[in-house]
Amino acid sequence: GENVEQHPSTLSVQEGDSAVIKCTYSDSASNYFPWYKQELGKRPQLIIDIRSNVGEKKDQRIAVTLNKTAKHFSLHITETQPEDSAVYFCAANLNQAGTALIFGKGTTLSVSS
Amino acid sequence: ETGVTQSPTHLIKTRGQQVTLRCSSQSGHNTVSWYQQALGQGPQFIFQYYREEENGRGNFPPRFSGLQFPNYSSELNVNALELDDSALYLCATTSGTGFRNEKLFFGSGTQLSVL
Repeated sequence: GENVEQHPSTLSVQEGDSAVIKCTYSDSASNYFPWYKQELGKRPQLIIDIRSNVGEKKDQRIAVTLNKTAKHFSLHITETQPEDSAVYFCAANLNQAGTALIFGKGTTLSVSS
Repeated sequence: ETGVTQSPTHLIKTRGQQVTLRCSSQSGHNTVSWYQQALGQGPQFIFQYYREEENGRGNFPPRFSGLQFPNYSSELNVNALELDDSALYLCATTSGTGFRNEKLFFGSGTQLSVL
């Protein structure tokens, strides 16, 4: 079946450093790639997304890059802050129908001050 | 906030029982999907409803069923509960037409525990 792999599973950085999370997907028909941030006990929140017609998108300290040929995309967080600590999920849309997404297993990011 | 409300927030059931989870969204959000999130995992797509009809389903057995109502509210029903059904159940909505590439906004979820 379709699959999204996410690495690393845990990531620890010092405040002010950059963090990079990488994902690969298997469905070549996928063309929408959102990233969600989930704090403990809370709902996943959409932080940024990218569509297949662009290679990079940036929103303040967060950027996402997409390589359709290699079927991988990455989340880049610059100047990390303690409040960036959370679990981050990448996702790709499924070909089957509607807004169905397949998620990676998540990356636990810890930012220490 | 996303304008997506789920109830109840927590629920405890025993194996073999049936459960109904509810979701309501703001007006105009006519597409709703349900996800199951096991502890330490990413959300898994259960199914999607658009205009009160199921139009997409993940790898879940028929004992997982749903409904969508004209007022945009939705239900997830699970029959014959199993221990592995213990998870956070998330409802997600979008204001789109149910087609691909639309932003999903999640509710806070219902934490279901099956004993």
